[in-house]
Formats: sequence, C-alpha cells, structure tokens
Amino acid sequence: GQNIDQPTEMTATEGAIVQINCTYQTSGFNGLFWYQQHAGEAPTFLSYNVLDGLEEKGRFSSFLSRSKGYSYLLLKELQMKDSASYLCAAMDSNYQLIWGAGTKLIIKP
Amino acid sequence: GAVVSQHPSWVICKSGTSVKIECRSLDFQATTMFWYRQFPKQSLMLMATSNEGSKATYEQGVEKDKFLINHASLTLSTLTVTSAHPEDSSFYICSATPGTTSYNEQFFGPGTRLTVL
Repeated sequence: GQNIDQPTEMTATEGAIVQINCTYQTSGFNGLFWYQQHAGEAPTFLSYNVLDGLEEKGRFSSFLSRSKGYSYLLLKELQMKDSASYLCAAMDSNYQLIWGAGTKLIIKP
Repeated sequence: GAVVSQHPSWVICKSGTSVKIECRSLDFQATTMFWYRQFPKQSLMLMATSNEGSKATYEQGVEKDKFLINHASLTLSTLTVTSAHPEDSSFYICSATPGTTSYNEQFFGPGTRLTVL
C-alpha cells in the first residue's frame, strides 16, 4: 500500500534549527512536496523535490533520497510565525498526492 | 499568480439541508480540480478529482450521490453536500492545477468550514 510517515509533533526554540523527517512508500514516484498549514487555513506550498539532493529556499531547505524513500524539511532561524503543521506529500505514478498526517511544529520563545 | 478562491468561507446549516461550495481559479485555467476534506488534527483526505467537462472520479468510500461535484468550466468547480448530517461537519478544501508544470503543483483555496447542526 501507499504510506507517508512523519512525526506527529515537534517543539523547537525561536532562532534555532529544526529538521522534520518524512518517509514514503508509493506506487511509482513523481516527486515529494512540503506544505505549510496554519490552523484553520489551507496548505501553502513550500517545496518540491524530484531529484536526490538538497533544495534551498531562504530559511527553508528540503532534501530527498529516492533510494531510501526519505525526505526532510529543514527550517533555520526559527520564528514564532513558523508555528504550524508541515505536511509531506508524495506524488505517485498517477500524479496523485499521497498525504502524510502532518507534523505540528511548536516554537517556544 | 495562481490564486484559488472558495466560497463560502464558513457555513452553518441544519441537518438534512444541502450546501454548495464553490471553488474558482482566479488567474489561471484549471484543467484539474481536487476536493479534500480535513477533520481536526488529521491530514487531508482526497474526496474526488474532477476534470472540466467530465464526471468526477471519487475516492473509495466517498458517496458520489451525497457529494455532488460539477466542474462546469476551466475556472469553476462546485461541491454540493446533499442532505448534510452532523458527521459531514468538516473543513473542505479545494485545489486546482493548471497542468502546465511538469509536476502539476496544486494551488489550494482557503477552505470552507462546514458545521451541520
């Protein structure tokens, strides 16, 4: 079956760095997405990886290892506004997104 | 660019009534639109995929006669929850893809919170 695993909740300190991991199993693979979702709002796109390696975009970076079925989202210089849920989603061979349950990130001062 | 709107943002209705939710792509033509449902503290659950001018493809376990989807144009899709019941109360989110990028990025609407009394 198809499955996405990510931690349920993480806590980090303002100004620090946090890494949110995601492992996936899908029928075929057409890329890995990370979305940010604040409570009561729709998800917003953060990153897309389809090749192995690290993609850096400002304070956020995303990494992919296709052979390991593994990705992580790295958030640097954490700010209070980064408190949100972070959703990992893998696109299968039918271009359908398989969603993880999300990781709730709590930022403490 | 790539803005998707939803209307209404929230709705409260009585049990047994029907509710229509609109999803519009404002600055692009959406070849495909998706409807999701999200319960508190849970992930997005895909309900159906719709392509303009054709019948929607529903996910397993989603009643097509209860959740009517119409994708009348390349910028508008509607979801009608028929004979709503309290267990249908949820956060409904649509997304749209222009289908012009290699990875078909989905752009999400702001969501509609439905409460059925």
